[in-house]
Amino acid sequence: QSALTQPASVSGSPGQSITISCTGTSSDVGGYNYVSWYQQHPGKAPKLMIYEVSNRPSGVSNRFSGSKSGNTASLTISGLQAEDEADYYCSSYTSSSTFRFGGGTKLTVL
Amino acid sequence: EVQLVESGGGLVKPGGSLRLSCAASGFTFSNAWMSWVRQAPGKGLEWVGRIKSKTDGGTTDYAAPVKGRFTISRDDSKNTLYLQMNSLKTEDTAVYYCTTEAVAVASPVFDYWGQGTLVTVSS
Repeated sequence: QSALTQPASVSGSPGQSITISCTGTSSDVGGYNYVSWYQQHPGKAPKLMIYEVSNRPSGVSNRFSGSKSGNTASLTISGLQAEDEADYYCSSYTSSSTFRFGGGTKLTVL
Repeated sequence: EVQLVESGGGLVKPGGSLRLSCAASGFTFSNAWMSWVRQAPGKGLEWVGRIKSKTDGGTTDYAAPVKGRFTISRDDSKNTLYLQMNSLKTEDTAVYYCTTEAVAVASPVFDYWGQGTLVTVSS
């Protein structure tokens, strides 16, 4: 089972907004509202940033938001800050009772 | 504070076996669904498998690449999760993370992660 499709890299300047897309199929992203997003800094474990498409866990900045349309989910980071530079992964529950991750997107803050 | 501490990683030859452990604390382990997620060097995240709580049947699900070779189990008396890996292949080389599912948020997501343990499969 291949990974969900994410852009390999995105970049933005401090204060700007960026959006990362995550494309799957009707058997995962399009079929369930169980899309989540994870932030991973180099050498660290991933951290949950968004769950159920658009919900933020306690403690996560409201600069992070999520949405979904059809088979594509998106993560938007507004007011970009230097500490947002990291790898971002989407994940979706699937109709096979398994999980698929995206290939990951490297965010560079210019 | 939730803590997940993996151990048991190391170097193993192709075809060999290894058992990883994950010691959990800071939450009611027996009620938690738990997953293993791996990350090959320089690559993305890959879900390995999960085990439900005994209350919910204690059943397991696995990703296709590891099904039939890997087994997830739990010892609720020790608050410990296990990953038994058999018939290891070079492509199993990765950092293996232990994660909780739906502890902080009531949703199938990986809400807490351990620091990971490196498994290297090489001759």
